[in-house]
Amino acid sequence: AQSVTQPDIHITVSEGASLELRCNYSYGATPYLFWYVQSPGQGLQLLLKYFSGDTLVQGIKGFEAEFKRSQSSFNLRKPSVHWSDAAEYFCAVGLTNDYKLSFGAGTTVTVRA
Amino acid sequence: NAGVTQTPKFQVLKTGQSMTLQCAQDMNHNSMYWYRQDPGMGLRLIYYSASEGTTDKGEVPNGYNVSRLNKREFSLRLESAAPSQTSVYFCASSEAWVGRGEGYEQYFGPGTRLTVT
Repeated sequence: AQSVTQPDIHITVSEGASLELRCNYSYGATPYLFWYVQSPGQGLQLLLKYFSGDTLVQGIKGFEAEFKRSQSSFNLRKPSVHWSDAAEYFCAVGLTNDYKLSFGAGTTVTVRA
Repeated sequence: NAGVTQTPKFQVLKTGQSMTLQCAQDMNHNSMYWYRQDPGMGLRLIYYSASEGTTDKGEVPNGYNVSRLNKREFSLRLESAAPSQTSVYFCASSEAWVGRGEGYEQYFGPGTRLTVT
């Protein structure tokens, strides 16, 4: 069965420090890859996506993610976090023969001053 | 352009009561989805509708029914609410062009927080 794993349930980072959130998936083929962010009490907003081509993709709010086929990973990064980046982050995967997305369990990011 | 809207925002039910969650999208998307979000479990798909006139079960369909009323609207019904259905419910929509990445990008509503006592 397909699965999406976000190994870190909760990460605390200082404002101005770098952030990396991990995402691994288990599929035979290269899927479509997404990162969503959910601020407290809000719906999910798309941060970035990977379909094909350049394995380093840029998203909104200064985030980027790198697809590594050999590691079946799609890790999200930000060089310098802001207090407003405190939220829950979800990795999602879609297969080319289906239009559903599978979501990871999420990583909660806390930003300390 | 409101995107995906959901009503109500909050609801408290007693065990055994029924209710319908409403969802509408104005992006002319083909597919619509209902998820539930529980702590530590991410989003789990309840039902989805690939296109107008079709609905299919997702990962956790028990206790729920859906209706794709037209291309814009997709409702979720709880016939006899149970405490295990206490959750936050999200509706989403997408173009659903199979084989094209853009078709998988889902747009989410603000959610309905449901408590069953």
